[in-house]
Amino acid sequence: EVQLVESGGGLVQPGGSLRLSCAASGFTVRSNYMNWVRQAPGKGLEWVSIVYSGGGTSYADSVKGRFTVSRDSSKNTLDLQMNSLRDEDTAVYYCATGRYGGIEYWGLGTQVTVSS
Amino acid sequence: QLVLTQSPSASASLGASVRLTCTLSSGHSSYAIAWHQQQPDKGPRYLMTHSSDGSHKKGDGIPDRFSASRSGAERYLSISSLQSEDEADYYCQTWGTGIQVFGGGTKLTVL
Repeated sequence: EVQLVESGGGLVQPGGSLRLSCAASGFTVRSNYMNWVRQAPGKGLEWVSIVYSGGGTSYADSVKGRFTVSRDSSKNTLDLQMNSLRDEDTAVYYCATGRYGGIEYWGLGTQVTVSS
Repeated sequence: QLVLTQSPSASASLGASVRLTCTLSSGHSSYAIAWHQQQPDKGPRYLMTHSSDGSHKKGDGIPDRFSASRSGAERYLSISSLQSEDEADYYCQTWGTGIQVFGGGTKLTVL
C-alpha cells in the first residue's frame, strides 16, 4: 500500500527557513515522479516542485531560487528545503506522487505558517 | 501556456447526476488530465486519470458512479447517484515538460 507522510511544518518568521520531509512507503521514490503541492488558506491547489524518476527537478516560478527539492533513496524520502520564506508561502504542503506524470497518491499534508 | 479552466461552482440534487468540466488551453487539447476530489477539511484524493488516448485509470476504491469523458479540449467528470459525501471541491490536473498545472477547482454542492 502506498503511503506518504509529511513532516517538518511549523511557524517561521518571514525570511526564515524550513525543511519539509515526506516519508514514502509501498514504492521507491526513485521509481516515481515526486511532487510538492501546496494550498493556501481558502485557495486552490498550487504545484510547487517535482523530482522526476530520472532525477531531474523543476519548480514553480513563485518558488524558483528559494526552494530546493531532493530525494534520499536510502531513506526513501522526499525533502523540500524552503529558504527566504514569505507570508504568501503560508499553506498546507502536500507530498504527491505518480508514475507517469499525473498524481495518483497524496499525503495528508503539513502546515507551514510564515508570520512575524 | 498550459492552463486548465474550471467553473467555480456547480450544484445538483441528492440522487441526481452532475457533469463537471475542465477546459485545456489552446494548443493543448490532446493532453491527459487527472481528477482529484477534496472533501471539506480533508486532503486531496485521486479519482482517475483520463489519458490522451481516451483510456481511463481509476484510483483505489473509486466507485463506478465516477466516470470521465472528453470532447475536443474539454474534459468531463461525471458523477451519478449523487450522495452527500460527494459534496467537495474537484480539481483537474495536467502536466507538461517541467510543469504540473491545476485547474482552479469546482465546488460541488449536493442539494
